[in-house]
Amino acid sequence: AQKVTQAQTEISVVEKEDVTLDCVYETRDTTYYLFWYKQPPSGELVFLIRRNSFDEQNEISGRYSWNFQKSTSSFNFTITASQVVDSAVYFCALTGGGNKLTFGTGTQLKVEL
Amino acid sequence: GAGVSQTPSNKVTEKGKYVELRCDPISGHTALYWYRQSLGQGPEFLIYFQGTGAADDSGLPNDRFFAVRPEGSVSTLKIQRTERGDSAVYLCASSLNSWGSPLHFGNGTRLTVT
Repeated sequence: AQKVTQAQTEISVVEKEDVTLDCVYETRDTTYYLFWYKQPPSGELVFLIRRNSFDEQNEISGRYSWNFQKSTSSFNFTITASQVVDSAVYFCALTGGGNKLTFGTGTQLKVEL
Repeated sequence: GAGVSQTPSNKVTEKGKYVELRCDPISGHTALYWYRQSLGQGPEFLIYFQGTGAADDSGLPNDRFFAVRPEGSVSTLKIQRTERGDSAVYLCASSLNSWGSPLHFGNGTRLTVT
């Protein structure tokens, strides 16, 4: 069985603060993929990043960065210098041996002026 | 290019009625998925198609739910004898035919059963 845990239900920050969204996963598969999706108020899920289990290099894309640590089964997401437009629900997700994507319950991020 | 298209965007129906939800995937995407999202929850897997066949339907909650993809493109999710507990946003996604390919989601159909 696969499981994704996002313990932070809601985070509020002031614009320009850095914020980290936590994701912890469980899987028995030795090969798997991890994802982050953003769901703005409009409702559409937007793909942000994919990482496979053999690649533990951290990744940076503009203000976004991801820290994958297999030893702690975590795939955390950091937004640097947050902006109001970053306000959304962020989902971490996992796929193992099949194509079924298992999502966490999401973290609601509110960035205020 | 066009993304995943879902119709209708909203559907209100009475308990006991039959509904059909339609999904038009991204052209060239052979894999198609249906998910259901309740308020405050993450999307929950329902069924996955590879081409015309259902490769994994383990997420369908019961036999009132059925989905088809007869020509390997457009898919229809069918719900019989709807119940108030079926109220949710039904999301469709498509991806290229390779394991681990990112899913591209539509805007969803908000189903309300009164």
